[in-house]
Formats: sequence, structure tokens, C-alpha cells
Amino acid sequence: KAGVTQTPRYLIKTRGQQVTLSCSPISGHRSVSWYQQTPGQGLQFLFEYFSETQRNKGNFPGRFSGRQFSNSRSEMNVSTLELGDSALYLCASSLNMNTEAFFGQGTRLTVV
Amino acid sequence: QKEVEQDPGPLSVPEGAIVSLNCTYSNSAFQYFMWYRQYSRKGPELLMYTYSSGNKEDGRFTAQVDKSSKYISLFIRDSQPSDSATYLCAMSSFQGAQKLVFGQGTRLTINP
Repeated sequence: KAGVTQTPRYLIKTRGQQVTLSCSPISGHRSVSWYQQTPGQGLQFLFEYFSETQRNKGNFPGRFSGRQFSNSRSEMNVSTLELGDSALYLCASSLNMNTEAFFGQGTRLTVV
Repeated sequence: QKEVEQDPGPLSVPEGAIVSLNCTYSNSAFQYFMWYRQYSRKGPELLMYTYSSGNKEDGRFTAQVDKSSKYISLFIRDSQPSDSATYLCAMSSFQGAQKLVFGQGTRLTINP
């Protein structure tokens, strides 16, 4: 059974640009969450989607947004990139909102 | 003060030792507790998922939750070099994977 797939694995962007990251959940899973991991702040919750609707949101600025498609695949977008956005962005999928989360390998974003 | 406190280590023990990893938390609404293992350049891997107070055992791993003390532990018996990784505690007041709050992670090294 394939795990959570995140693409791309690595990304380098310039300040001010925008970026879109993709996540394909485990087959049959309908809930997708996004987290940011940095050495200073650790893992922080960004948002969660279920049935194409954002169900929960963390304390991040509006530059961070996401969406979920009818096949449960999800994308997150960061606009007007800042140096501080450099991080490992992790996607987690769950069968539904009441079951445990399984993480992907992450996308490492570097903003220069 | 962070909602979840975890000693970042590093922690180094000899092969075969019993390892104890701990987290404390301040939010009494947390009811769901998880331990994840993260190898370098990989996503977190779910090890244990528990609800409320009590113990849960899975092979060489035992998770303990003491809600009255707001304290959770993960014990690893007969530790192996392959257990060398960063261990993250996570918790939520919502069932399942919603809005997980993570500790900083403890870097563990098992020496052969």
C-alpha cells in the first residue's frame, strides 16, 4: 500500500515568489493535514482538509493557503515568500478526521 | 511557555538499554496522545496512539499517559542502533489527527 506522497521533495525559491506544494494521501484516506517543521519552532499545524473543506486552521498568516480536490489530493500555496518560510513542509493523511495521521516525506523549501 | 515541553536531548545510551522519553503539557483539554519517530530527512512515523490516561504496549515500546500530572512517557526496551532517531510527542484535544501539537523532539542515539 503506497504511503503519503509529497511533491516535489526539494524546492528553492526567491523571496517574493509563490510556491505550490502537492500531497497525495494514502488511498482511501479523506483527511489531509499540513504542518511546517523548522529547527526553531518544531512542527506546527497549518491546516486540515476533509471532503474538500478546510476544517481546522493554525496560526499562520493568510499567505499560507490550501485546498483539497475531490480525489482527496491536496495542495498548499505560499505567496510572497519570506526567508522565514524556509522549512520542511509535511503532509499527513487520515482515513477520516477521527483516526491517526500518517506523514509523508515532506517537501524541503528553501527561500533565498 | 510552549503548550508541550520535551527535552531536546541529545540522549545517548548503549545498545540494549531501556530508554525513557518524556513530555509535559499545560493544556488539560488534550485527550489524544501520540509518539512519532523521525529519521533524518524523513517524515515522522507513527509509533503509538493512546487516548486518555493509562498504558499501551506494542512490542518493545510502551506509552504511558498520566493526565493528572500532565505527563506522558515512551519507554523503549532492548534498544537497538536502528532506534536512533528523533522522537516527537504529539497531542490533541480533538479525536484523531486534528490540530496536533508537537513537542520539540528528543534526538536519541543508541551506541552499539
